[in-house]
Amino acid sequence: EVQLVESGGGLVQPGGSLRLSCAASGFIFSTYSMNWVRQAPGKGLEWVSYISSTSTTIYYADSVKGRFTISRDNAKNSLYLQMNSLRAEDTAVYYCARLGAFSSGWRGAFDIWGQGTMVTVSS
Amino acid sequence: DIVMTQSPDSLAVSLGERATINCKSSQSVLYSSNNKNYLAWYQQKPGQPPKLLIYWASTRESGVPDRFSGSGSGTDFTLTISSLQAEDVAVYYCQQYYSTLYSFGQGTKLEIK
Repeated sequence: EVQLVESGGGLVQPGGSLRLSCAASGFIFSTYSMNWVRQAPGKGLEWVSYISSTSTTIYYADSVKGRFTISRDNAKNSLYLQMNSLRAEDTAVYYCARLGAFSSGWRGAFDIWGQGTMVTVSS
Repeated sequence: DIVMTQSPDSLAVSLGERATINCKSSQSVLYSSNNKNYLAWYQQKPGQPPKLLIYWASTRESGVPDRFSGSGSGTDFTLTISSLQAEDVAVYYCQQYYSTLYSFGQGTKLEIK
């Protein structure tokens, strides 16, 4: 079964750091580009970051650029999001999402999503 | 950045009736070199992650019922559910992937009338 499982969420104070992980299974992780997408409580979806299959291409949303770092370990079938200088507005469920094989380079829709991990930034 | 605007924000449709959700992009998401629209539709039920329904504006994802269809080109797109079922109650999002700053519409909440 194709699956993505996020972990690492929790409560953190403003200015703090957190590292999210996403474990992939059921597909050849090293051949797929991946993304992080977040959803604030009761709000819509916001794309956060993209990483290509070999980590050579990385993109960030303006709202997290300079604070968040995406990475992956293909040997461990894992995706990561290092979040520093966290703010209250970063409070959200964070999803990892796979870029579909039908995609054209980085241009594609997200065909597999994890269940998400909740990050709460509050004092 | 490309801004995606959906209409309406919420919609109530009777079981068996047609539901139509619109999505407008602030600039064209049609890539002229391959004549493809870089537009997807997702369904999100309460407490669940989003599920991909449609990509390339009109290509149905594997396993998605054929009552779901996507249409449109350039800046104006539509998701149509031909005969609403109870399990279709959800929030629907459009997304553009033409620009590296992928962006989603604000969502349309679909309910049963």
